[in-house]
Amino acid sequence: DVKVTQSSRYLVKRTGEKVFLECVQDMDHENMFWYRQDPGLGLRLIYFSYDVKMKEKGDIPEGYSVSREKKERFSLILESASTNQTSMYLCASSLWPSGGVAEAFFGQGTRLTVV
Amino acid sequence: DAKTTQPPSMDCAEGRAANLPCNHSTISGNEYVYWYRQIHSQGPQYIIHGLKNNETNEMASLIITEDRKSSTLILPHATLRDTAVYYCIVRVKDRDDKIIFGKGTRLHILP
Repeated sequence: DVKVTQSSRYLVKRTGEKVFLECVQDMDHENMFWYRQDPGLGLRLIYFSYDVKMKEKGDIPEGYSVSREKKERFSLILESASTNQTSMYLCASSLWPSGGVAEAFFGQGTRLTVV
Repeated sequence: DAKTTQPPSMDCAEGRAANLPCNHSTISGNEYVYWYRQIHSQGPQYIIHGLKNNETNEMASLIITEDRKSSTLILPHATLRDTAVYYCIVRVKDRDDKIIFGKGTRLHILP
């Protein structure tokens, strides 16, 4: 089975801290994604990457950056955490759909609280 | 922005078929319809996808209208474990496919 693993299930950080959320997938997928999920707003795409060292902005990239130095790992960085970044963060991975099925596989999520 | 419209919530009696509609009136010829669901406190899970033809797998059936402007996900015999938020997404098979989610339909299965 494909596994997408997020480093923490729950995280509490202080305002102004630099926060790293890590995501690792074990199926050699090209594409990786970071979303945040808030009540009433659904899943919103923050950033995605379709290759090592490549990144593209999603719908809400402000206040975030990402790093993809290795194919299996995609990190979301909050440069200076703020209380409005308190949310559930979900990572996903997917094959580059070169003719095949390209379903996305999701991690369990990290619930981040910024105090 | 999401390219799909779904009702915010639906109820279905346990054991009955659950039919979840989705409108995607601006879908283009190279875009697929995908369905995911998210059970409380878990990440979304892939259910099924299709382009033009109706599709069926062990989880559900997908009915796409001939003009491709709408589709229906059918859970043939709903159980309490099917209580979840269901997302309909259109995706193009391109390298920079972003996978944009809408707000989905919250399906309540009634005992």
